[in-house]
Amino acid sequence: LAKTTQPISMDSYEGQEVNITCSHNNIATNDYITWYQQFPSQGPRFIIQGYKTKVTNEVASLFIPADRKSSTLSLPRVSLSDTAVYYCLVGDKNNDMRFGAGTRLTVKP
Amino acid sequence: DAGITQSPRYKITETGRQVTLMCHQTWSHSYMFWYRQDLGHGLRLIYYSAAADITDKGEVPDGYVVSRSKTENFPLTLESATRSQTSVYFCASLDPSGGSSYEQYFGPGTRLTVT
Repeated sequence: LAKTTQPISMDSYEGQEVNITCSHNNIATNDYITWYQQFPSQGPRFIIQGYKTKVTNEVASLFIPADRKSSTLSLPRVSLSDTAVYYCLVGDKNNDMRFGAGTRLTVKP
Repeated sequence: DAGITQSPRYKITETGRQVTLMCHQTWSHSYMFWYRQDLGHGLRLIYYSAAADITDKGEVPDGYVVSRSKTENFPLTLESATRSQTSVYFCASLDPSGGSSYEQYFGPGTRLTVT
């Protein structure tokens, strides 16, 4: 099972781009990479998913190199409301999908 | 109400008692999950289910029992609660045929305290 490693915390300022990297050296061929955001006292919320290369949606981009051993979530122009914990999740629906420990992002004014 | 709901939202119980946490979703998603989140930590998968009558163990299944007789319900039972099971429990569902096929929808959580 792929284990993920993320930085424990990151600080940023409003308007900056934030990149959070997740390491998953043992990723399996069928595994997808998914990122979630969690605010205090709430359940996680889906941000983006990807298998390889680059994926972009209205809130974020996900960069996955060819070897897929890591992935980077990119949040453009963060605001105070983006302060949250961000989780990287690697797995296949038919197997045990495991959350990492999460990265606590603090956006400062 | 549409969506995914959990009940109760808060529960205090004593060591050794049996407790059942309920999870209900209205979307008919085939996959459902139970996670626990200890204070200040990430989520750990307890059990998951790919369809009614199909369940599998996750990372931390010991001390828990699940069943899924209907697609929309996925109850989690602590057979004999211990203090180490004090946690926030999240239920989630997933539609593998959806546009974002790995998007899990999470419930609001149940905060369980075992005294």
